[in-house]
Amino acid sequence: QLQLQESGPGLVKPSETLSLTCTVSGGSVSSNDYYWAWIRQPPGKGLEWIGSIFYNGNSGNTYHNPSLKSRVTMSVDSSKNQFSLRLSSMIAADTAVYYCAAEWGSGSSPRFDYWGQGTLVTVSS
Amino acid sequence: QLVLSQPPSASGTPGQRVTISCSGSSSNIRSNNVYWYQQFPGTAPKLLIYRNNQRPSGVPDRFSGSKSGTSASLTISGLRSEDEADYYCAVWDDSLTVVMFGGGTKLTVL
Repeated sequence: QLQLQESGPGLVKPSETLSLTCTVSGGSVSSNDYYWAWIRQPPGKGLEWIGSIFYNGNSGNTYHNPSLKSRVTMSVDSSKNQFSLRLSSMIAADTAVYYCAAEWGSGSSPRFDYWGQGTLVTVSS
Repeated sequence: QLVLSQPPSASGTPGQRVTISCSGSSSNIRSNNVYWYQQFPGTAPKLLIYRNNQRPSGVPDRFSGSKSGTSASLTISGLRSEDEADYYCAVWDDSLTVVMFGGGTKLTVL
């Protein structure tokens, strides 16, 4: 049973870069079974997939939402059993609850088996 | 404009059967598996249906999924008050190369 926990700032200024980390317990971020995903949800709105990353210690792969791709950087730190998201040039429309999730399979098949509790990120000066 | 269309709301009385639709296109639903999520206010979504009609362990068999052509459906039989939640469909889109979520359907149990 995987458990995921997001961490990061709750408040980011416009134009700054958001950095979030997801700590995984109960399993390894180097697993062959899972991609590691970021999904966000603006207050009162629906879900938006940001991207997914895979790393098994030998090879890696990433998928990004094309609408955000130039602003998104994802990485895996196997030594800490964590994966991270960096989203640059933050604007007010990026205000959302950010979830990390474990995605079973290929990275292009949205089976998100496990989710973090989510962290609210507000963009404001 | 959403690629995946869901009705914004649905409702039913306890014991009823309710169906929530998810309409897409040939580049997403027709070509790929559909997934459904249940979300209660203030909590993370939970996987309800995977690969069109498969239930993860622990999901009651009152929940079922189906797919036909460019549309998919989630059916809840024997509706209960605790089913009141938001429901989202999700699918990969081959053209946009993106995971798409529907806009969500708020289910009210009257």
